[in-house]
Amino acid sequence: QITLKESGPTLVKPTQTLTLTCTFSGFSLSTSGVGVGWIRQPPGKALEWLALIYWDDDKRYSPSLKSRLTITKDTSKNQVVLTMTNMDPVDTGTYYCAHSASAFCGGDCSYPPLDYWGQGTLVTVSS
Amino acid sequence: DIVMTQSPDSLAVSLGERATINCKSSQSVLYSSNNKNYLTWYQQKPGQPPKLLIYWASTRESGVPDRFSGSGSGTDFTLTISSLQAEDVAVYYCQQYYTTPLTFGGGTKVEIK
Repeated sequence: QITLKESGPTLVKPTQTLTLTCTFSGFSLSTSGVGVGWIRQPPGKALEWLALIYWDDDKRYSPSLKSRLTITKDTSKNQVVLTMTNMDPVDTGTYYCAHSASAFCGGDCSYPPLDYWGQGTLVTVSS
Repeated sequence: DIVMTQSPDSLAVSLGERATINCKSSQSVLYSSNNKNYLTWYQQKPGQPPKLLIYWASTRESGVPDRFSGSGSGTDFTLTISSLQAEDVAVYYCQQYYTTPLTFGGGTKVEIK
């Protein structure tokens, strides 16, 4: 079955760079149509999509955060890494990674729904 | 960006009664070539990640009870819980996957009256 798990620091200082790792099983990021996305959620607030990476290394970013984000994959390790620079207290929240696959849509969508999610990791930005 | 606006922000419904959540997109998420609406609904219970309930605006994900239904097209969508159960207490989000940036609604909190 498909599982994903986020890992990384729970506390970062303002201006520091955050590095989060999504380790997954049950699928391969070398399979055509497969992707992994990152989404975050400030405490008590709504979900915000951050980035996506696909099997062919196609990458998409939230325009508002693009200058601060980098998403990469390590297919051999079944991992996706998200880095976010210049962290600020407003970046505090739970960060999720999630699976996406075009097979879900029968090949009918470029950005398939996020069908499996990790449990999330809470990141606090504070000095 | 496609802005997703949900209403109401919260609602309280008696057990067994109907709950209706609305979602409006700032532009159509209906793809004319296949007549499909690129709209999902997620359920998020406290302390848990979101769970995919409905995609293509009206197709239930496997295992989702049939009391959950989605409807609408173009820019206006609805999630209906036909007979609210205690386990349905959650925040519900709509999300468009028509284009990036993927965008979510602000969420609707459903509680028991």
